[in-house]
Amino acid sequence: KAGVTQTPRYLIKTRGQQVTLSCSPISGHRSVSWYQQTPGQGLQFLFEYFSETQRNKGNFPGRFSGRQFSNSRSEMNVSTLELGDSALYLCASSLQPTDYEQYFGPGTRLTVT
Amino acid sequence: AQSVTQLDSQVPVFEEAPVELRCNYSSSVSVYLFWYVQYPNQGLQLLLKYLSGSTLVKGINGFEAEFNKSQTSFHLRKPSVHISDTAEYFCAVTGSARQLTFGSGTQLTVLP
Repeated sequence: KAGVTQTPRYLIKTRGQQVTLSCSPISGHRSVSWYQQTPGQGLQFLFEYFSETQRNKGNFPGRFSGRQFSNSRSEMNVSTLELGDSALYLCASSLQPTDYEQYFGPGTRLTVT
Repeated sequence: AQSVTQLDSQVPVFEEAPVELRCNYSSSVSVYLFWYVQYPNQGLQLLLKYLSGSTLVKGINGFEAEFNKSQTSFHLRKPSVHISDTAEYFCAVTGSARQLTFGSGTQLTVLP
């Protein structure tokens, strides 16, 4: 069974631009979560989606948004990029929201210049 | 609110020696605990988890961890490490909200 896939793997953007990252969960998994990893702040929870609905949101500004499609694929969007948004963005999937075990993808490395 | 403290940011150890990576957590509610490993330029791989039951949990690659409720700890151990175990290790906690709260990570470096 294929794991969690994230596209693109690497991305370079300029301050002020916006970016969309994509995540395809493991087949059959319906819950998707997003995390940001930076050297300074470590791993921080962004949001969780299940059945196309956001169930939970971390402490990030409104510039960070996401959505989930009917096939459970998810996207996250960051508008008006700032230098501090440079990070590894990780997506994780699980069968159901009640499952505590999450499977992570390889991440998208975003660099903002 | 939950928090996780990984007491050592870097742990160097010689090959075939034992290792312990320390993790303490704080939470006012029941918790579920995890250890993840991250190899360079990769995502996180689940090593082991504690949800309930036996406090000694065995995971992949020969790792194990012990949940100690009174000391609020969940230390990771391996009796004999290999060069391939060199990676960053993250302790994480979650509760009813299911979002993972991670520690700052411990870089394990296995020396030949």
